[in-house]
Amino acid sequence: GAVVSQHPSWVICKSGTSVKIECRSLDFQATTMFWYRQFPKQSLMLMATSNEGSKATYEQGVEKDKFLINHASLTLSTLTVTSAHPEDSSFYICSAVDRTANTGELFFGEGSRLTVL
Amino acid sequence: QQQVKQSPQSLIVQKGGISIINCAYENTAFDYFPWYQQFPGKGPALLIAIRPDVSEKKEGRFTISFNKSAKQFSLHIMDSQPGDSATYFCAASFGNQFYFGTGTSLTVIP
Repeated sequence: GAVVSQHPSWVICKSGTSVKIECRSLDFQATTMFWYRQFPKQSLMLMATSNEGSKATYEQGVEKDKFLINHASLTLSTLTVTSAHPEDSSFYICSAVDRTANTGELFFGEGSRLTVL
Repeated sequence: QQQVKQSPQSLIVQKGGISIINCAYENTAFDYFPWYQQFPGKGPALLIAIRPDVSEKKEGRFTISFNKSAKQFSLHIMDSQPGDSATYFCAASFGNQFYFGTGTSLTVIP
């Protein structure tokens, strides 16, 4: 299947700093990418839908200025957690749809564990 | 409102047994029903998927049963193995809209 690479896989930062997480589709073009947040033993919580070349669509309750999403190319989307605080500590996962395969399959990255001290 | 309802929340099965996880949906616009397997600290991986024009799909030890009239679908894991211990998510989608179940934590006891 298609590969989605997420980097970094884990990051520790101090409170008040910003952290950027990258999501790349390695062998396909992704018009749309999704960003999720997952708390321990819970399901995936959709944060935002990222479309190449346009502004991301955020889910209700997700702060746009806190979680900056950029989808500058068909293979790269980034999530920047600005002025991170301990409550932002979580597992962040991206996913992408292969637009050329037309199968509707959704491929996930390996996730990024963020710990804010 | 939960678009996809998944049960049970957790499941313990003996090695060699059958694991069954159920999901139900309401929106008849859904046209793609995947199952994902997630190991701790990893992203979900597509396991098997089905479209509503078939009632069953089998891939190795994994089978999806789909009941369009009841708006239900289930994952059956035959000959369950300890390596199958993971969290399983069902999902339903149309277009680029994906809705996930709450997950089932499966433990297969040796």
